[in-house]
Amino acid sequence: AQTVTQSQPEMSVQEAETVTLSCTYDTSESDYYLFWYKQPPSRQMILVIRQEAYKQQNATENRFSVNFQKAAKSFSLKISDSQLGDAAMYFCAYKTQGGSEKLVFGKGMKLTVNP
Amino acid sequence: ETGVTQTPRHLVMGMTNKKSLKCEQHLGHNAMYWYKQSAKKPLELMFVYNFKEQTENNSVPSRFSPECPNSSHLFLHLHTLQPEDSALYLCASSQDRNEGRSLFFGSGTQLSVL
Repeated sequence: AQTVTQSQPEMSVQEAETVTLSCTYDTSESDYYLFWYKQPPSRQMILVIRQEAYKQQNATENRFSVNFQKAAKSFSLKISDSQLGDAAMYFCAYKTQGGSEKLVFGKGMKLTVNP
Repeated sequence: ETGVTQTPRHLVMGMTNKKSLKCEQHLGHNAMYWYKQSAKKPLELMFVYNFKEQTENNSVPSRFSPECPNSSHLFLHLHTLQPEDSALYLCASSQDRNEGRSLFFGSGTQLSVL
Protein backbone atom coordinates (compact mmCIF):
# COMPACT_ATOMS: atom_id res chain seq x y z
CA ALA A 1 0.00 0.00 0.00
CA GLN A 2 1.10 3.52 -0.72
CA THR A 3 2.07 5.75 2.17
CA VAL A 4 2.96 9.43 2.42
CA THR A 5 5.19 10.75 5.20
CA GLN A 6 5.59 14.31 6.33
CA SER A 7 8.18 14.06 9.06
CA GLN A 8 8.06 17.67 10.29
CA PRO A 9 4.80 18.44 12.11
CA GLU A 10 5.55 22.16 12.37
CA MET A 11 7.81 24.78 10.79
CA SER A 12 8.14 28.51 10.94
CA VAL A 13 9.58 31.05 8.52
CA GLN A 14 10.15 34.78 8.51
CA GLU A 15 8.10 36.82 6.10
CA ALA A 16 9.88 37.25 2.72
CA GLU A 17 12.18 34.30 3.34
CA THR A 18 12.19 30.86 1.76
CA VAL A 19 11.07 27.63 3.38
CA THR A 20 11.10 24.02 2.21
CA LEU A 21 8.54 21.45 3.32
CA SER A 22 9.55 17.82 3.03
CA CYS A 23 7.51 14.84 1.90
CA THR A 24 8.45 11.26 1.13
CA TYR A 25 6.24 8.51 -0.19
CA ASP A 26 6.36 4.81 -0.73
CA THR A 27 5.04 3.10 -3.83
CA SER A 28 5.95 0.29 -6.19
CA GLU A 29 4.28 1.99 -9.14
CA SER A 30 6.02 3.99 -11.83
CA ASP A 31 3.17 6.24 -12.90
CA TYR A 32 1.37 8.40 -10.38
CA TYR A 33 0.56 11.96 -9.37
CA LEU A 34 1.75 14.02 -6.43
CA PHE A 35 0.08 17.05 -4.91
CA TRP A 36 0.57 19.68 -2.28
CA TYR A 37 -2.58 21.04 -0.68
CA LYS A 38 -2.88 23.96 1.71
CA GLN A 39 -5.52 24.17 4.45
CA PRO A 40 -5.83 27.62 6.06
CA PRO A 41 -8.00 28.24 9.15
CA SER A 42 -11.02 28.49 6.86
CA ARG A 43 -10.61 24.67 6.58
CA GLN A 44 -10.91 24.62 2.79
CA MET A 45 -8.22 22.47 1.20
CA ILE A 46 -6.66 24.40 -1.67
CA LEU A 47 -4.45 22.88 -4.34
CA VAL A 48 -0.99 24.45 -4.32
CA ILE A 49 0.83 22.42 -6.95
CA ARG A 50 0.62 19.16 -8.87
CA GLN A 51 3.33 16.92 -10.35
CA GLU A 52 3.01 14.03 -12.78
CA ALA A 53 5.59 11.35 -12.06
CA TYR A 54 6.47 10.78 -15.72
CA LYS A 55 7.53 14.42 -16.08
CA GLN A 56 11.14 15.05 -15.10
CA GLN A 57 10.68 18.79 -14.95
CA ASN A 58 9.75 20.10 -11.53
CA ALA A 59 6.39 21.86 -11.34
CA THR A 60 6.29 25.57 -10.54
CA GLU A 61 3.42 27.87 -9.64
CA ASN A 62 4.52 31.44 -8.99
CA ARG A 63 6.27 31.42 -5.58
CA PHE A 64 5.74 27.68 -5.13
CA SER A 65 7.99 25.04 -6.64
CA VAL A 66 8.73 21.41 -6.00
CA ASN A 67 11.86 19.30 -5.93
CA PHE A 68 10.70 15.94 -7.25
CA GLN A 69 13.24 13.16 -6.79
CA LYS A 70 11.58 10.06 -8.20
CA ALA A 71 14.32 7.59 -7.33
CA ALA A 72 14.44 8.84 -3.77
CA LYS A 73 10.63 9.06 -3.62
CA SER A 74 10.87 12.59 -2.35
CA PHE A 75 8.58 15.51 -3.17
CA SER A 76 9.46 18.69 -1.31
CA LEU A 77 7.69 22.03 -1.62
CA LYS A 78 9.64 25.29 -1.67
CA ILE A 79 7.86 28.53 -0.84
CA SER A 80 9.78 31.62 -1.87
CA ASP A 81 9.18 35.13 -0.55
CA SER A 82 6.90 33.79 2.18
CA GLN A 83 3.81 35.84 2.91
CA LEU A 84 1.59 35.99 5.99
CA GLY A 85 -1.19 34.39 3.94
CA ASP A 86 0.96 31.29 3.43
CA ALA A 87 0.41 30.33 7.06
CA ALA A 88 -1.63 27.11 7.00
CA MET A 89 -1.51 23.34 7.26
CA TYR A 90 0.21 21.82 4.25
CA PHE A 91 -0.58 18.32 3.06
CA CYS A 92 1.35 16.19 0.64
CA ALA A 93 -0.76 13.68 -1.32
CA TYR A 94 -0.27 10.81 -3.73
CA LYS A 95 -2.57 9.31 -6.32
CA THR A 96 -1.99 6.26 -8.44
CA GLN A 97 -2.62 6.50 -12.18
CA GLY A 98 -5.84 4.76 -13.07
CA GLY A 99 -7.69 2.46 -10.70
CA SER A 100 -8.73 3.88 -7.36
CA GLU A 101 -9.51 7.55 -7.02
CA LYS A 102 -8.08 7.53 -3.53
CA LEU A 103 -5.75 10.40 -2.70
CA VAL A 104 -3.35 9.20 -0.01
CA PHE A 105 -2.50 12.11 2.25
CA GLY A 106 0.30 12.71 4.70
CA LYS A 107 -0.54 13.86 8.22
CA GLY A 108 0.20 17.46 7.37
CA MET A 109 2.57 20.13 8.55
CA LYS A 110 1.71 23.43 10.21
CA LEU A 111 3.53 26.41 8.72
CA THR A 112 3.77 29.62 10.71
CA VAL A 113 4.90 32.83 9.01
CA ASN A 114 6.40 35.41 11.34
CA PRO A 115 6.17 39.11 10.43
CA GLU B 1 -22.01 31.28 -5.96
CA THR B 2 -18.91 29.41 -7.07
CA GLY B 3 -16.81 26.50 -5.91
CA VAL B 4 -17.85 23.78 -3.49
CA THR B 5 -20.29 24.66 -0.73
CA GLN B 6 -20.95 22.51 2.33
CA THR B 7 -23.71 22.87 4.89
CA PRO B 8 -23.98 22.96 7.79
CA ARG B 9 -20.60 24.32 8.82
CA HIS B 10 -20.94 22.84 12.30
CA LEU B 11 -23.12 20.02 13.58
CA VAL B 12 -23.58 18.55 17.03
CA MET B 13 -25.63 15.40 17.31
CA GLY B 14 -26.43 12.65 19.75
CA MET B 15 -25.73 9.04 18.99
CA THR B 16 -29.40 8.32 18.32
CA ASN B 17 -29.98 11.26 15.99
CA LYS B 18 -30.31 11.22 12.22
CA LYS B 19 -28.79 14.10 10.31
CA SER B 20 -27.55 14.86 6.82
CA LEU B 21 -24.58 16.75 5.43
CA LYS B 22 -25.00 18.56 2.13
CA CYS B 23 -22.49 19.42 -0.55
CA GLU B 24 -23.07 21.41 -3.72
CA GLN B 25 -20.56 22.20 -6.44
CA HIS B 26 -20.91 24.95 -9.01
CA LEU B 27 -17.90 23.97 -11.11
CA GLY B 28 -19.57 21.72 -13.66
CA HIS B 29 -17.63 18.73 -12.40
CA ASN B 30 -18.73 15.14 -12.81
CA ALA B 31 -17.05 13.46 -9.85
CA MET B 32 -17.71 14.10 -6.16
CA TYR B 33 -16.06 12.76 -3.02
CA TRP B 34 -16.48 12.52 0.73
CA TYR B 35 -13.35 12.66 2.89
CA LYS B 36 -13.03 12.38 6.67
CA GLN B 37 -10.40 14.44 8.50
CA SER B 38 -9.78 13.38 12.10
CA ALA B 39 -7.40 15.08 14.47
CA LYS B 40 -3.79 13.95 14.02
CA LYS B 41 -4.70 11.48 11.24
CA PRO B 42 -4.38 11.73 7.47
CA LEU B 43 -7.46 12.49 5.44
CA GLU B 44 -9.39 9.36 4.62
CA LEU B 45 -11.39 8.83 1.46
CA MET B 46 -14.91 7.62 2.21
CA PHE B 47 -16.89 7.58 -1.04
CA VAL B 48 -16.51 8.50 -4.71
CA TYR B 49 -19.29 9.26 -7.17
CA ASN B 50 -18.81 9.66 -10.89
CA PHE B 51 -21.76 10.80 -13.01
CA LYS B 52 -24.05 10.08 -10.03
CA GLU B 53 -22.88 6.49 -9.70
CA GLN B 54 -20.94 5.34 -6.66
CA THR B 55 -17.57 4.07 -7.83
CA GLU B 56 -15.76 3.67 -4.52
CA ASN B 57 -16.71 2.84 -0.95
CA ASN B 58 -13.62 2.75 1.22
CA SER B 59 -15.00 0.22 3.73
CA VAL B 60 -17.14 2.84 5.41
CA PRO B 61 -19.55 1.66 8.16
CA SER B 62 -23.20 1.52 7.12
CA ARG B 63 -24.12 4.25 9.62
CA PHE B 64 -22.80 6.58 6.90
CA SER B 65 -25.06 6.56 3.85
CA PRO B 66 -24.16 8.69 0.81
CA GLU B 67 -26.56 9.96 -1.81
CA CYS B 68 -25.79 11.65 -5.11
CA PRO B 69 -29.00 12.73 -6.90
CA ASN B 70 -27.10 14.57 -9.64
CA SER B 71 -23.55 15.60 -10.49
CA SER B 72 -23.87 18.87 -8.57
CA HIS B 73 -25.17 17.56 -5.24
CA LEU B 74 -23.85 15.08 -2.72
CA PHE B 75 -25.29 14.15 0.65
CA LEU B 76 -24.01 12.14 3.57
CA HIS B 77 -26.79 10.74 5.74
CA LEU B 78 -25.78 9.99 9.31
CA HIS B 79 -27.51 7.72 11.82
CA THR B 80 -26.57 6.09 15.11
CA LEU B 81 -23.09 7.54 15.00
CA GLN B 82 -20.38 6.93 17.58
CA PRO B 83 -18.25 9.53 19.39
CA GLU B 84 -15.23 8.41 17.34
CA ASP B 85 -17.06 9.61 14.23
CA SER B 86 -16.49 13.18 15.39
CA ALA B 87 -14.35 14.79 12.69
CA LEU B 88 -14.27 17.30 9.86
CA TYR B 89 -16.10 15.93 6.84
CA LEU B 90 -14.87 17.37 3.58
CA CYS B 91 -16.59 17.23 0.23
CA ALA B 92 -14.63 17.57 -2.99
CA SER B 93 -15.24 17.52 -6.71
CA SER B 94 -13.18 17.04 -9.85
CA GLN B 95 -13.75 17.28 -13.58
CA ASP B 96 -13.87 13.52 -13.81
CA ARG B 97 -12.40 10.56 -12.00
CA ASN B 98 -9.51 9.91 -14.32
CA GLU B 99 -5.98 11.01 -14.92
CA GLY B 100 -5.16 12.50 -11.55
CA ARG B 101 -7.49 15.45 -11.82
CA SER B 102 -7.04 17.93 -9.03
CA LEU B 103 -9.70 17.99 -6.36
CA PHE B 104 -11.59 21.12 -5.35
CA PHE B 105 -12.67 21.01 -1.72
CA GLY B 106 -15.37 22.65 0.33
CA SER B 107 -14.79 24.10 3.80
CA GLY B 108 -16.18 21.03 5.50
CA THR B 109 -18.70 20.24 8.21
CA GLN B 110 -17.24 19.97 11.71
CA LEU B 111 -19.20 17.14 13.30
CA SER B 112 -19.33 16.44 17.01
CA VAL B 113 -21.08 13.28 18.22
CA LEU B 114 -22.04 13.33 21.89
